[in-house]
Amino acid sequence: SQTIHQWPATLVQPVGSPLSLECTVEGTSNPNLYWYRQAAGRGLQLLFYSVGIGQISSEVPQNLSASRPQDRQFILSSKKLLLSDSGFYLCAWSGGQAREQFFGPGTRLTVL
Amino acid sequence: QKEVEQNSGPLSVPEGAIASLNCTYSDRVSQSFFWYRQYSGKSPELIMSIYSNGDKEDGRFTAQLNKASQYVSLLIRDSQPSDSATYLCAVIGGFQKLVFGTGTRLLVSP
Repeated sequence: SQTIHQWPATLVQPVGSPLSLECTVEGTSNPNLYWYRQAAGRGLQLLFYSVGIGQISSEVPQNLSASRPQDRQFILSSKKLLLSDSGFYLCAWSGGQAREQFFGPGTRLTVL
Repeated sequence: QKEVEQNSGPLSVPEGAIASLNCTYSDRVSQSFFWYRQYSGKSPELIMSIYSNGDKEDGRFTAQLNKASQYVSLLIRDSQPSDSATYLCAVIGGFQKLVFGTGTRLLVSP
């Protein structure tokens, strides 16, 4: 069965510091991968998605970036965090032509 | 108009009752519809998917889709306190992106 991991689970960072969040998927190959952010009291916002190694599509302009160095690894980064980057960051995967997306446990980021 | 709209709630129902959660969407070409359950502090969990008009049943859950009215609903029969959560409606529209509503909070009282 497929499993999706995210780490860290929680993170408190000062404004202006860098960020690296990691997501890995097990039990499937060539998944579509997604990064979402859920701000307090708001809906899920798609940030990035990837259909393959090195292929990244950005949905919204921001100071975040994403990379996919391996088939089942997806990384979300920032060089300098803003207060507005606080939120619940969720990685999700879907398989091939399947339309359902499955979420990892998430990383709760607080920027102070 | 939001792409996917849900009443934020909370929707309060007594244990054993039927909970009815509703969602409307704006993109007429949408073909795929999903319901996710999200407990407080946790990530969303897929509970139902529906692609054709009509009803789809899975245990105590029934999803209903009416494409003509651009309306999708989730019925939870015999509601339990453990069903208390936020339920997110999600739709894949014309750009093949999954768009989420902001969710309806359900409270089931013992």
